[in-house]
Amino acid sequence: GENVEQHPSTLSVQEGDSAVIKCTYSDSASNYFPWYKQELGKRPQLIIDIRSNVGEKKDQRIAVTLNKTAKHFSLHITETQPEDSAVYFCAAPIGDTGRRALTFGSGTRLQVQP
Amino acid sequence: NAGVTQTPKFRILKIGQSMTLQCTQDMNHNYMYWYRQDPGMGLKLIYYSVGAGITDKGEVPNGYNVSRSTTEDFPLRLELAAPSQTSVYFCASSQGKGGVAPLHFGNGTRLTVT
Repeated sequence: GENVEQHPSTLSVQEGDSAVIKCTYSDSASNYFPWYKQELGKRPQLIIDIRSNVGEKKDQRIAVTLNKTAKHFSLHITETQPEDSAVYFCAAPIGDTGRRALTFGSGTRLQVQP
Repeated sequence: NAGVTQTPKFRILKIGQSMTLQCTQDMNHNYMYWYRQDPGMGLKLIYYSVGAGITDKGEVPNGYNVSRSTTEDFPLRLELAAPSQTSVYFCASSQGKGGVAPLHFGNGTRLTVT
């Protein structure tokens, strides 16, 4: 199965509403969970990340929550704005200790309707 | 700092041709990565390196080769280009241990194989 599963693949919300994107991972040793935003034709850029010793992290309108027992983490965007429209990717590390690399989810295309 | 620099930005190859995608970083990061992103899809890890002289296969290594002779450079080689290798290729680097630190992406190389 996939190392990192991401849902939904597309999400459309009205401006001002909240958006939630969920990811599950398979490696219980994973301890770092970033979220990247990719605008059309651009490179992915880190928007927020969380480490396994905390359950939630916030940065203005963006938050990430982590449930290590269930092996899933979520991105929450509140008061969405049209400029939040983009593709969002979650990621988690895989590989042997000392030689790990980030594996990405399949992405969520978020469309914020004005 | 220029960050992660990739060349070329665009390239069209004929089937069977070979080429090298260049990637260099000036942040003294030990960890470097190559991802490919097919149209409308997520990022797939091709190869990565935890330091000079060390490389590891990722999720989709077939048809590619890498080398890491210096900390700064991590070129990706395509020996016999195939249409399935049409994609956008992103190089990235990270500080600290791999898989537990943010990735810094280059702007990508858009490759078309016809």
